[in-house]
Amino acid sequence: GAGVSQSPSNKVTEKGKDVELRCDPISGHTALYWYRQRLGQGLEFLIYFQGNSAPDKSGLPSDRFSAERTGESVSTLTIQRTQQEDSAVYLCASSVDLGGRTPLQFFGPGTRLTVL
Amino acid sequence: QKEVEQDPGPLSVPEGAIVSLNCTYSNSAFQYFMWYRQYSRKGPELLMYTYSSGNKEDGRFTAQVDKSSKYISLFIRDSQPSDSATYLCAMSVGAGGTSYGKLTFGQGTILTVHP
Repeated sequence: GAGVSQSPSNKVTEKGKDVELRCDPISGHTALYWYRQRLGQGLEFLIYFQGNSAPDKSGLPSDRFSAERTGESVSTLTIQRTQQEDSAVYLCASSVDLGGRTPLQFFGPGTRLTVL
Repeated sequence: QKEVEQDPGPLSVPEGAIVSLNCTYSNSAFQYFMWYRQYSRKGPELLMYTYSSGNKEDGRFTAQVDKSSKYISLFIRDSQPSDSATYLCAMSVGAGGTSYGKLTFGQGTILTVHP
C-alpha cells in the first residue's frame, strides 16, 4: 500500500462517547496533518506533526480534541465526549520535507464520523 | 472574513467546454498555491502546485496566480465527464513562516461535466 490509509472508514457513535481515528502515513513521510471537512465545506486544519518537533495544535477546536504520533509512523486523533457538531469527514495527509519549499501533501480517504 | 474565498458554484458545463475556477485570498504571506480535485467520498488529490505569481500548464489544466490581486485560477480545457468532481484551492506560507506546511483551503466548487 503506497498511499495514506485511515481507519475506520466510517464511524457512527452516540453523543458523549469518545472516538479514536487512525492514520497510517506514507512510509518515509516525516510530516503528518489532520484536517476536518464538514459537509459541503473545504478542509479545516486541525494539527500538524513534523518529525520530533512539537506539534502545531493551533487548529484544534476544543480541548476535547487531541492527537498523538509515534515517531514518524501512525497517528491517532481522539475526540472525547463527542458532540453532534463533530460530525464530519476527518482527513489525514502526509508529506516529505522538500528542503524549504512547502511540502506536497498526500491525503488519505478520510474517516466519516457521524455523531447521533 | 475567511482567509480564502472560493466561488462556490456549482458549475454545470457541457463536455468540451473550458472551465474557469477561482479563489481570492487575504493573507499576503501565502506563497504556495495548490489545486486539489476531490471525487465523492474520496480524499483530495493534488492537481497543480505553483509558487508565487505566474502560470503553470499540465495537459488540459492551467493554473494562474496573480499575487498583486491575491487571485488564483484553474482552467480546464476540453472538459470531460471524468472531470466532474469538487475542486479545492489551497495555499500556504513559505519556509520560516508560522504554520509552515499548513494548508488553508477554499470551500470548494462542485463541477459537473455532462456528455
